[in-house]
Amino acid sequence: DQQVKQNSPSLSVQEGRISILNCDYTNSMFDYFLWYKKYPAEGPTFLISISSIKDKNEDGRFTVFLNKSAKHLSLHIVPSQPGDSAVYFCAASSSGTYKYIFGTGTRLKVLA
Amino acid sequence: DAMVIQNPRYQVTQFGKPVTLSCSQTLNHNVMYWYQQKSSQAPKLLFHYYDKDFNNEADTPDNFQSRRPNTSFCFLDIRSPGLGDAAMYLCATSSHSYEQYFGPGTRLTVT
Repeated sequence: DQQVKQNSPSLSVQEGRISILNCDYTNSMFDYFLWYKKYPAEGPTFLISISSIKDKNEDGRFTVFLNKSAKHLSLHIVPSQPGDSAVYFCAASSSGTYKYIFGTGTRLKVLA
Repeated sequence: DAMVIQNPRYQVTQFGKPVTLSCSQTLNHNVMYWYQQKSSQAPKLLFHYYDKDFNNEADTPDNFQSRRPNTSFCFLDIRSPGLGDAAMYLCATSSHSYEQYFGPGTRLTVT
């Protein structure tokens, strides 16, 4: 039973446009969510996070939105750049567990 | 630069031959993790240490063991690797914040 789902394995976006990556979760105990970016032959790197007490967190070109009632979060990248081409993972955690459940990732390709 | 280092980056072992993967960190984080990631799948948590407290996931096979001799180092021992254990193994650390810092991973091939 996969508790964190990224239903789109891949996404292609034109440079300068918005990229929207989606993530759904099933466990209502999750209260902290993170997005990671992974380039080939490298480990995932932390991108942005959001706590369940918020519904939006913004960091430069990256914004994460959380809809708790729908158990859904999304990552918006505006404007998209070719260097953003990577695999994006969402991950979820419950307070105090220090455990993270990852989704399967979405491969983003930004076309120049 | 503070970082998470994994050695080796690529490891080839024979079926049934014990293998050890290593991870070290200069971040002085108290939590260390081992994940297994197979192609197109989510990273799967095998176990984590909170300081010296070992936390095993219920579905982690007994074939997988871990040691953390000090804050900086953590090892993953696979006692009898099978073909199904071929994967990328990721080490990560975190402190009291939620962010995890990952190493580059070790790709294990079992022949």
